[in-house]
Amino acid sequence: SQKIEQNSEALNIQEGKTATLTCNYTNYSPAYLQWYRQDPGRGPVFLLLIRENEKEKRKERLKVTFDTTLKQSLFHITASQPADSATYLCALVANQGGKLIFGQGTELSVKP
Amino acid sequence: GAVVSQHPSRVICKSGTSVKIECRSLDFQATTMFWYRQFPKQSLMLMATSNEGSKATYEQGVEKDKFLINHASLTLSTLTVTSAHPEDSSFYICSARVPRDNSPLHFGNGTRLTVT
Repeated sequence: SQKIEQNSEALNIQEGKTATLTCNYTNYSPAYLQWYRQDPGRGPVFLLLIRENEKEKRKERLKVTFDTTLKQSLFHITASQPADSATYLCALVANQGGKLIFGQGTELSVKP
Repeated sequence: GAVVSQHPSRVICKSGTSVKIECRSLDFQATTMFWYRQFPKQSLMLMATSNEGSKATYEQGVEKDKFLINHASLTLSTLTVTSAHPEDSSFYICSARVPRDNSPLHFGNGTRLTVT
């Protein structure tokens, strides 16, 4: 069956460190993968998109990698700040209809 | 940037009543909108795809007669939870995509529904 899995346990790190979040998928062949941020009681906000032919994508302090052989994407936040505390969701498009399917999200907490 | 507005943000209703949630794309036209539901500490679960001018496409296990979707214009989709029960209490979020290849989803801020 098709699955998208993220670290289910919350990630707690110290301010200034790099946070690394993992997204693994099975039985998908996505053309691209997306990462979103969700704050409590709010809708998700788009952060980054990476295509299957891209190994790495950067945006300010964010970096995403995409390994289609391992079927894995890593999401990095460098020089993390308490304001980065949120739940981060990876998502990919299902095979038909353009539906976006989400992982369960990883809650990140950055302590000052 | 693309903005999706969802209303109301919170609603409390009694069992057996119906609740309508509106989702609007404010600065773009959306032929397709998506409705998700999210339970606490869980991921977003796609309920249905709302298609402008035609019937919605529901995901497996979602009752189309209970969750009525209407997409009457290119900027408005509505979700009506009919004969609501306490187990329908959840966070409902709509989203839309700017009609462009590989464009991301833009989400509303969600509706917290509590059925008493």
